[in-house]
Amino acid sequence: GAGVSQSPSNKVTEKGKDVELRCDPISGHTALYWYRQSLGQGLEFLIYFQGNSAPDKSGLPSDRFSAERTGGSVSTLTIQRTQQEDSAVYLCASSPGTSGGPSYNEQFFGPGTRLTVL
Amino acid sequence: QKEVEQNSGPLSVPEGAIASLNCTYSDRGSQSFFWYRQYSGKSPELIMFIYSNGDKEDGRFTAQLNKASQYVSLLIRDSQPSDSATYLCAVNMRSSGSARQLTFGSGTQLTVLP
Repeated sequence: GAGVSQSPSNKVTEKGKDVELRCDPISGHTALYWYRQSLGQGLEFLIYFQGNSAPDKSGLPSDRFSAERTGGSVSTLTIQRTQQEDSAVYLCASSPGTSGGPSYNEQFFGPGTRLTVL
Repeated sequence: QKEVEQNSGPLSVPEGAIASLNCTYSDRGSQSFFWYRQYSGKSPELIMFIYSNGDKEDGRFTAQLNKASQYVSLLIRDSQPSDSATYLCAVNMRSSGSARQLTFGSGTQLTVLP
């Protein structure tokens, strides 16, 4: 079956421009996560959506970052007025999100979007 | 102190040996623990998860959890060059902002020498 997909795979932009990154989760997964991974670093949590609940935005590094999830499926991460320190790989993951069993929290990752801010 | 700590490595083992990857975490109330493998330039892929104290085996992989010591490890038996990757430990911490948020360690780079 189809896994998590993300687009674009690579994005090069100029400092100060806005960018939008897209994530299509696995069909039926109710939970969706965005992470950021800088070169040689671990994953930094950004934001989490679960069904129709209010998202957990506790990881967003500044108010230039925002995300939405339409219809409980596709999500878009928007970075306004990009800065060079925003350069990283942005990873999206989804999980079943139901609490019926121990596997509810298994997260499956997309291929990521490599963002380069010049 | 980082919430999830891993030795960054690099860890080198000869082909056929056992590779041992370790992870400690700060939140004693953490419930679930995950090991991900990440090849260079690729996204993380789930290898194993463990919830209960003790060992959990899956093929050549064994996850070990000791909640009293706040320690989780991954053993890879009969290591192969194809196991060369960065291994990420992730913990579902009770103190995290949401019940399902995972906190990741920075990863251990493993190299299996032919």
